[in-house]
Parts: sequence; structure tokens; C-alpha cells
Amino acid sequence: DAGVTQSPTHLIKTRGQQVTLRCSPKSGHDTVSWYQQALGQGPQFIFQYYEEEERQRGNFPDRFSGHQFPNYSSELNVNALLLGDSALYLCASSYISVGQGYNEQFFGPGTRLTVL
Amino acid sequence: AQSVTQLGSHVSVSEGALVLLRCNYSSSVPPYLFWYVQYPNQGLQLLLKYTTGATLVKGINGFEAEFKKSETSFHLTKPSAHMSDAAEYFCAVFPSGSARQLTFGSGTQLTVLP
Repeated sequence: DAGVTQSPTHLIKTRGQQVTLRCSPKSGHDTVSWYQQALGQGPQFIFQYYEEEERQRGNFPDRFSGHQFPNYSSELNVNALLLGDSALYLCASSYISVGQGYNEQFFGPGTRLTVL
Repeated sequence: AQSVTQLGSHVSVSEGALVLLRCNYSSSVPPYLFWYVQYPNQGLQLLLKYTTGATLVKGINGFEAEFKKSETSFHLTKPSAHMSDAAEYFCAVFPSGSARQLTFGSGTQLTVLP
């Protein structure tokens, strides 16, 4: 089992550019959540995708958007990059089980985005 | 809204000493609670979790945590620190109800001194 994979591992962009990050969930998982972890801080929830739709969203501007594909993989897109978008972006996958109080999330290694 | 407070952004212990990392949460309803560890340049690894049942939870690498509802706490302990325990530790809550997102604390960097 490959676990959660993310690509690329590192990325350098300049202000105003756009970036796309990719995530493949753990085998058998159908839900992908994205988190932003700024340096020295805990991860913050961006949004979650299930059945190819955004189900929940954290306190992030519309510059952050995403997509989930039929194979459950997901992309995170960030437009008009700002210096403050520099962070480690973590993807987590889980399996939505009806009636279960929680769904354990498995994290990928992250993509380190640097905005210059 | 749920929140998590980790007391002490940096904790140093000697090898072989007790490790105690503190976590308090705010919630009107007991949430599900987690501790994650993050090694440099890596993602998050689940150490242990509390969902229901026994309030003392044992995890990997000799770590354990106790859920204390009256104190709204979920402190992480390990009787004897090892050099390999040096990492950043995050406490997180998964609120009960329909929300399905983890809320993390700001993290505690653990240093183990030889």
C-alpha cells in the first residue's frame, strides 16, 4: 500500500503566479482534505473533497480552489500567489463511513511551496 | 468553535527522563482527540487517538495520553525519552457532529538532550 502521495515535493513560485498541487489518496479512501502549515504553526484546514465536490471549507480566500477526480485523487490550486502563501501543504485522505463519528485521516509528506 | 491549546512551544528533556506535553481543548461536547508527530521535512504521523471508551490511550513508540473531561485536557506522556523522540508534536481535535475537519494546536517542539 503506497499510502498518501503528493507531488511535487518542493516548488518555488513568484508572487502573482498560479500553482497546482496534487494528491493521491491511500488505497480504499474516498475523501481528501487539504491543510496549510505555515512555518512554526500547526496545520490549518483549507477544504475537503468527497464525491468530487467540496464538502467543507476553512477560512481561506477564493484564491484557493480544488478538484477531485473520479479516481479520488485531488488537486489544490492557488491563484495570485502571495508571499504569505509560502507553507507546507498537506493532503490527508480518509474513508467516509456512514454512522461513524470520525474518519481517521492519513497524511501525505506534503508539498513545500516557496513564494518569492 | 473548537480550539486546541498546547502549553509550551518548546520542551527539552534529558534522555531517559519523563516526557510530558500538554494539550487543552475547548468544546461543549467531548470531541475526538489525537496526537500527531512530525519529523523534519515529513508529514504527520498519528501517535494515538481517543474516541470513546477507556480514557487512558496507548499509542506507538511508548507514548500514552489520558483524556480528562473535567480538565478538558489530553496530555501526552512517555516514561523515558529517547533521542529518536525529538520531533514536533501536535494535538488535534475532531469535533463531534457533522464537521469532519481536524483542528490542530500550534505544536510543541521536543528536544531530547544526551
